[in-house]
Amino acid sequence: DTAVSQTPKYLVTQMGNDKSIKCEQNLGHDTMYWYKQDSKKFLKIMFSYNNKELIINETVPNRFSPKSPDKAHLNLHINSLELGDSAVYFCASSQEQVTRGYTFGSGTRLTVV
Amino acid sequence: AQSVTQLDSQVPVFEEAPVELRCNYSSSVSVYLFWYVQYPNQGLQLLLKYLSGSTLVKGINGFEAEFNKSQTSFHLRKPSVHISDTAEYFCAVSSGYSTLTFGKGTMLLVSP
Repeated sequence: DTAVSQTPKYLVTQMGNDKSIKCEQNLGHDTMYWYKQDSKKFLKIMFSYNNKELIINETVPNRFSPKSPDKAHLNLHINSLELGDSAVYFCASSQEQVTRGYTFGSGTRLTVV
Repeated sequence: AQSVTQLDSQVPVFEEAPVELRCNYSSSVSVYLFWYVQYPNQGLQLLLKYLSGSTLVKGINGFEAEFNKSQTSFHLRKPSVHISDTAEYFCAVSSGYSTLTFGKGTMLLVSP
């Protein structure tokens, strides 16, 4: 039933580790996104991806990489985790034309210790 | 480039009082405007959106917003709030094919 699902919901890991967050949407949307929400609730776009192109926010470190095995999935892989990566990460999806807005997942709270 | 400014980081209000959450945007092209709500420990949920047509837009949970092109504003209002409206509210803008750009959010705190 869930439109956009993310796993895991919580992730606690040590500095230097590599981790992945999975995202799946069953809405038939064209485009998927990753947002980072910091401790002040600010939402920052990290990536947007459809079957035509990947758009990367230039401020995102290259330790972060999106991986899309198919149109319904956009996973986020993070290498060499740092303390500053601690945040809530949201996956979202939309049609290519965003007139209907985004549908968000429930978020993954990443804590790096 | 497009941007969104939410003028208040926090708005405290008593239950059953009216509330207005302010949002101003800037964009060099025509825009679509959105309000999202985030309840504690949850994802974002669409409250309402303005695409075109009537400048007064009604959304879920009794919220409404008015698009004002001359003032580049899209303020969110509710005539009578409930405790359950306590949440973070985000205004967002898109030019249609671009990603959504969000404001920094306004925390609505409703107390009895």
